[in-house]
Amino acid sequence: GAGVSQSPRYKVAKRGQDVALRCDPISGHVSLFWYQQALGQGPEFLTYFQNEAQLDKSGLPSDRFFAERPEGSVSTLKIQRTQQEDSAVYLCASHDGAGAFFGQGTRLTVV
Amino acid sequence: ELKVEQNPLFLSMQEGKNYTIYCNYSTTSDRLYWYRQDPGKSLESLFVLLSNGAVKQEGRLMASLDTKARLSTLHITAAVHDLSATYFCAALQTSGSRLTFGEGTQLTVNP
Repeated sequence: GAGVSQSPRYKVAKRGQDVALRCDPISGHVSLFWYQQALGQGPEFLTYFQNEAQLDKSGLPSDRFFAERPEGSVSTLKIQRTQQEDSAVYLCASHDGAGAFFGQGTRLTVV
Repeated sequence: ELKVEQNPLFLSMQEGKNYTIYCNYSTTSDRLYWYRQDPGKSLESLFVLLSNGAVKQEGRLMASLDTKARLSTLHITAAVHDLSATYFCAALQTSGSRLTFGEGTQLTVNP
């Protein structure tokens, strides 16, 4: 596709439920980032992949958060046992020399 | 750790006026990005600045980079209502593994 695609666009989860968020980056982009954006704030770094290798996961807030990119293309961010503080927009970006391009995001609401 | 600070955080201006948003970053960075975000939307890439003295212009927006001062500016010329949005700057760490965002500047252009 022409841009970064994320799904679902919206997700409502009951507290304690597991969720999986998908990111389909721009074809050929080696670098992929996940960010978390709380309402009214700037995006906060979660994790970074270069191809299939997760080179930096220092931004993941707890061990309930897990990300993978097994074939170096599509990436999945999984959140286990969701809590209310996980409610945010999760943004994926893929990057090349020209810039970092963001998807539309997944708005997660934990109730 | 790379830190990015923007000011002002809130900016209300009249149509036709000029203003500048400032972005300071704490350590050496490979490149500097400016994004626009409309409410409920994702981040739209505006500019990528790659080297000291870089200046880019698009319409009423002009961005510049001074790597020695670790400062980037986004200048708005003759503002129009359509420019109302939140503007973020972000700096890429030299390792290329993390894009760190400022807090954002919420711009409101009043008729």
